[in-house]
Amino acid sequence: DGGITQSPKYLFRKEGQNVTLSCEQNLNHDAMYWYRQDPGQGLRLIYYSQIVNDFQKGDIAEGYSVSREKKESFPLTVTSAQKNPTAFYLCASSGGSRNSPLHFGNGTRLTVT
Amino acid sequence: GESVGLHLPTLSVQEGDNSIINCAYSNSASDYFIWYKQESGKGPQFIIDIRSNMDKRQGQRVTVLLNKTVKHLSLQIAATQPGDSAVYFCAENGDDYKLSFGAGTTVTVRA
Repeated sequence: DGGITQSPKYLFRKEGQNVTLSCEQNLNHDAMYWYRQDPGQGLRLIYYSQIVNDFQKGDIAEGYSVSREKKESFPLTVTSAQKNPTAFYLCASSGGSRNSPLHFGNGTRLTVT
Repeated sequence: GESVGLHLPTLSVQEGDNSIINCAYSNSASDYFIWYKQESGKGPQFIIDIRSNMDKRQGQRVTVLLNKTVKHLSLQIAATQPGDSAVYFCAENGDDYKLSFGAGTTVTVRA
């Protein structure tokens, strides 16, 4: 059945290492998003892409990078420049119109020590 | 900047009672609002949405009310069940294609 798959569910990395989080969708959605969630806080937008080969920075893009080479995939790289990378990362997709709900994956919990 | 906020961070409800979760928004340009439910360790799950040309919309056991005059959104859950325990987020579409989320209300259902 259709949905968004994020992998892995848990990820552990040493400080100074880059790490890539996977997000795949089979909903045939044009738009994809990456959010970061910290305890007790709402979701903050990192990057989003409304179409293949195009993406825009969200509110907290510093220290992150993305690519959108295929419609189904929107991987997020957390670089060593991200000062506080430990968080819960959520990927989402939508049909792309202004009034479309986001469909979320089940997240990746990244811990950097 | 613009923000979406919830009035209370936590809500404790007796099983079987109705729940009301409130949300205030500040962007007058927002014309689409969504409520999400997030269970522990999972991604947010769509509950119900409403467009600004409506004041009320009903789903299964849930009702969303929109008051544009005071920029207020609420989610009502009828006959709250233990499975309703979760964090609830409101979101608005603001000036562009990006949804803005509030900090969330944690709902705990007492048996």
